[in-house]
Amino acid sequence: DQQVKQNSPSLSVQEGRISILNCDYTNSMFDYFLWYKKYPAEGPTFLISISSIKDKNEDGRFTVFLNKSAKHLSLHIVPSQPGDSAVYFCAAWGNSNYQLIWGAGTKLIIKP
Amino acid sequence: DTAVSQTPKYLVTQMGNDKSIKCEQNLGHDTMYWYKQDSKKFLKIMFSYNNKELIINETVPNRFSPKSPDKAHLNLHINSLELGDSAVYFCASSQGADEQFFGPGTRLTVL
Repeated sequence: DQQVKQNSPSLSVQEGRISILNCDYTNSMFDYFLWYKKYPAEGPTFLISISSIKDKNEDGRFTVFLNKSAKHLSLHIVPSQPGDSAVYFCAAWGNSNYQLIWGAGTKLIIKP
Repeated sequence: DTAVSQTPKYLVTQMGNDKSIKCEQNLGHDTMYWYKQDSKKFLKIMFSYNNKELIINETVPNRFSPKSPDKAHLNLHINSLELGDSAVYFCASSQGADEQFFGPGTRLTVL
C-alpha cells in the first residue's frame, strides 16, 4: 500500500527549461513533506520541504507547491542545470507513526 | 567532516554468514535510522532509535538486530544472511522530526 506515489519513474528535460516532478499522497494526516535528491552511490540529501499549513515554499531555483485538496505536491526546478540530474524522492511525515514515508523516486535527466 | 558515515561501503558475503554494518553521526542528533533500498529502489524504514531507545521496528526478520551503544552510533547486525538480503542499506540521523541526513549507503551482496 503506497501512501506516497511518484508515478513517473523518469523525466527528461532540456537544460535551461523548467523541470516539474510530481508526487501524490493518500494519507490526509501527513503534515510535512520533503524532497530529497540522490546521486548514484551516495545517500539522499535533503533539498526542500513544506509544511501542510503552506501551499508554496521557494529556495533559489527550487519551489515546492502543495495542493492539499488534491493531495498532490510538485517540485519545480528552474532553470534546470546538468548537475540537477539525479533521482528525486518525495517523502511525507505523519505524527501518528513518527516516520518518513517515501515515494519510489523519479530519475531526472537534464539534456544539454 | 563526514556527518553520517557507514562502514563498509561494499560487503560481499556468502549465504548463512553473519555480518555487521556500522553507522556513526557527528551531528549531535538524537534519532537514527536504518533504511533498506530494495531492487525496485524503494526506501523502506527498518528501525529507528531515539536516544538509544528503539522507537520504530518495522516488519523485519529477527535476523536483523540493531544495536545503539550511544546516541551517535547505530549498528546493524544481520545473522544467517539470505540472498534476499542483498540491497543497499542506508543509515540516517535527524533531530526529532526534522530533515534526515543520510550516510553514503552500504551495498550488501549475498552470494
